[in-house]
Amino acid sequence: SQKIEQNSEALNIQEGKTATLTCNYTNYSPAYLQWYRQDPGRGPVFLLLIRENEKEKRKERLKVTFDTTLKQSLFHITASQPADSATYLCALSGRDDKIIFGKGTRLHILP
Amino acid sequence: GAGVSQSPSNKVTEKGKDVELRCDPISGHTALYWYRQSLGQGLEFLIYFQGNSAPDKSGLPSDRFSAERTGGSVSTLTIQRTQQEDSAVYLCATPGTAVNTEAFFGQGTRLTVV
Repeated sequence: SQKIEQNSEALNIQEGKTATLTCNYTNYSPAYLQWYRQDPGRGPVFLLLIRENEKEKRKERLKVTFDTTLKQSLFHITASQPADSATYLCALSGRDDKIIFGKGTRLHILP
Repeated sequence: GAGVSQSPSNKVTEKGKDVELRCDPISGHTALYWYRQSLGQGLEFLIYFQGNSAPDKSGLPSDRFSAERTGGSVSTLTIQRTQQEDSAVYLCATPGTAVNTEAFFGQGTRLTVV
């Protein structure tokens, strides 16, 4: 069955450093990969989408890479700030639009 | 509407009762998802509606769960004979109008079965 793996343990990063989150998947060939941010008590909020034929995408301090050979995406936040503390969810979708989410990684930016 | 709206925001029900959760999607968005998120867990796919196509119900955990979407707009998720393990946040989302764009989520309904 399709499986998405994200670091289950919380990630603690010092303010100003780059935070890197990992998303691995198996038994799936997604056409698109997305990253979302979720704050406590709120629904997820979309951050970035990358297509299978793209290697990298950037948006302000965010960078996403997509390696379809390794079946892995890396999500980077540069110059991290305490306000970046949240849970970050990786999501995959195929050509049928069905979106499947990973369990998310909790990120703590330490001041 | 301007965003995805879910109601109620919180629901406490007794074990064995039926509950209905409502989702008002963004106007014009033809697809709609329901997900369930248990405490500290990721989003579990439940059901997916896309236009007039038959819904993808592959994520519904049991026959106590059902969902419908009337007129291609409002959706209702019904849980019959609720159990304590049904306690979770139920999230509704609609993707953008273009194929494979981001999903816009409602704030969720927190269901507690006591």
